[in-house]
Amino acid sequence: KQEVTQIPAALSVPEGENLVLNCSFTDSAIYNLQWFRQDPGKGLTSLLLIQSSQREQTSGRLNASLDKSSGRSTLYIAASQPGDSATYLCAVSSNDYKLSFGAGTTVTVRA
Amino acid sequence: DAGVIQSPRHEVTEMGQEVTLRCKPISGHNSLFWYRQTMMRGLELLIYFNNNVPIDDSGMPEDRFSAKMPNASFSTLKIQPSEPRDSAVYFCASSFAGVTEAFFGQGTRLTVV
Repeated sequence: KQEVTQIPAALSVPEGENLVLNCSFTDSAIYNLQWFRQDPGKGLTSLLLIQSSQREQTSGRLNASLDKSSGRSTLYIAASQPGDSATYLCAVSSNDYKLSFGAGTTVTVRA
Repeated sequence: DAGVIQSPRHEVTEMGQEVTLRCKPISGHNSLFWYRQTMMRGLELLIYFNNNVPIDDSGMPEDRFSAKMPNASFSTLKIQPSEPRDSAVYFCASSFAGVTEAFFGQGTRLTVV
């Protein structure tokens, strides 16, 4: 059974600081890993998708890396802004089509 | 494409009533997922389908919950009878064979009183 863990559970940083969010998973037989953002009371918005054959993916200030063999992914957000405050979730798509989520990291960026 | 469409957006019902949640996946996607989200338990996978066939329903909490996917463009999640502890936000998501990016609907906020 795929287990996905996100550390830390919460993070508070001053504006301008870089953010580092971690995700680990137990079964390396995956199709891809996806990072989502969720604002309070809202749905999940896809940020980045990394295929199992890729090492990293970038979109603007966001960069996500994937080390499939060690079961780890890291999401970097450069020069954080108050608008980046949200909960960030990682999800792993396994070979049985299942999409498994971590519990998320709640980020607060202080102005 | 309008994305994953869920209805209703909000549902308030009395305990014991039947509730039906609906989902229209993105056209061309053949994997569909139903999740439930609460503050206490986070995001829980209830059931997922591939090519309209249920692959794993081990996350369905009780026999009161059932899900169907009669065709590639429609799925329902039914709770009968509903109970106050079923109150949560229910999300539907779709992708292509679990390989492509998964997209979520806006969710249905269910309140059972």
